[in-house]
Amino acid sequence: KAGVTQTPRYLIKTRGQQVTLSCSPISGHRSVSWYQQTPGQGLQFLFEYFSETQRNKGNFPGRFSGRQFSNSRSEMNVSTLELGDSALYLCASSLAGETNIQYFGAGTRLSVL
Amino acid sequence: SQKIEQNSEALNIQEGKTATLTCNYTNYSPAYLQWYRQDPGRGPVFLLLIRENEKEKRKERLKVTFDTTLKQSLFHITASQPADSATYLCAPSNYGGSQGNLIFGKGTKLSVKP
Repeated sequence: KAGVTQTPRYLIKTRGQQVTLSCSPISGHRSVSWYQQTPGQGLQFLFEYFSETQRNKGNFPGRFSGRQFSNSRSEMNVSTLELGDSALYLCASSLAGETNIQYFGAGTRLSVL
Repeated sequence: SQKIEQNSEALNIQEGKTATLTCNYTNYSPAYLQWYRQDPGRGPVFLLLIRENEKEKRKERLKVTFDTTLKQSLFHITASQPADSATYLCAPSNYGGSQGNLIFGKGTKLSVKP
């Protein structure tokens, strides 16, 4: 079974631009969560989608948004990029069953210049 | 608010010794706790899950304990090897239901020296 796939692996953008990251979950997983990871803050939860609906949201500004498609693939968008948005963005899928064991992709490394 | 603390940012040990990592949580009563391993530039990988009614769980050289009175989990790696060098993250949680995501501690970076 294929794992979680994130594209692209690396991105370089400038301040003010916007960016879209993509995530393909493990087949059969309906829950997709997005996390931001920085050296100072660790792994922080952005939002979770389940059956095309945002089910949970972390404490991030509205510049961060996402969506999920009917095939469970998900995209995350960041508008008006700031220097502080430089981070590793991780997507994780889960069966969303009794336990929320997360299966992570390799991440997208975003650098904002 | 919920708080998760992992004992130290970094832990250095000698090959062959037992590494012990600590995860403490406050303002929370998790039904289970998960441990993940993360290598540089990669996503975390699930290692073990322990439920609140389990005192101890083992998997090969790994052992996890869960003390709901102390609000603490200990993660042990016995006979540690340089290949065990990585960052280890804990995630206390309640059962799924309406929440598919996890809240993670900041992690402990383990370095095993030969």
